Amino acid sequence: GDSVTQMEGPVTLSEEAFLTINCTYTATGYPSLFWYVQYPGEGLQLLLKATKADDKGSNKGFEATYRKETTSFHLEKGSVQVSDSAVYFCALSDSGGYQKVTFGTGTKLQVIP
Amino acid sequence: GAVVSQHPSWVICKSGTSVKIECRSLDFQATTMFWYRQFPKQSLMLMATSNEGSKATYEQGVEKDKFLINHASLTLSTLTVTSAHPEDSSFYICSARPRLAGVNYEQYFGPGTRLTVT
Repeated sequence: GDSVTQMEGPVTLSEEAFLTINCTYTATGYPSLFWYVQYPGEGLQLLLKATKADDKGSNKGFEATYRKETTSFHLEKGSVQVSDSAVYFCALSDSGGYQKVTFGTGTKLQVIP
Repeated sequence: GAVVSQHPSWVICKSGTSVKIECRSLDFQATTMFWYRQFPKQSLMLMATSNEGSKATYEQGVEKDKFLINHASLTLSTLTVTSAHPEDSSFYICSARPRLAGVNYEQYFGPGTRLTVT
């Protein structure tokens, strides 16, 4: 079945540091890929997405590129802020009728001033 | 943007009682809604896929008789946890996919409901 593997956290960075959170996936067909963010005590918010190979999703300074050859969708940000502290989930949506979403285990990011 | 609400946002109930959680799409119609469960410091686990006007499709290992799902309309799905026990305490999140959405359309997530069974 489909699966998503992302790097374990927690990740602790100083403000303005560069962020990379690795994500790889296994899926049949042509899934869509997502990054969701969950702030403490809240639900999930879509951060960015990519629907086909070589697409780059971007939002709020975060970027991720759909790499079919390496089955990866790594999340990057050039300069993190304290407000970016949250849990980040990599996910894929299958191309079937219901488009079930499979999530990675989540990576907690803590940014310190 | 598309908004999904959940009610209640948190609930405490006694062991053996039942509790109902509502998921509503506020500004769009959703043919399909999904129910997830999130354990502390863990990822989301899909419990079931809910389709308007038909029976829900449950994931392997999820008890159908314990977690009753009803998708009564294109804007409302409910999850009822029957005869709740402390091990059912968790964070329950729903998501909704817009009706007539094309392939690769995103799902919109609710803010979640924190259930504590004492």
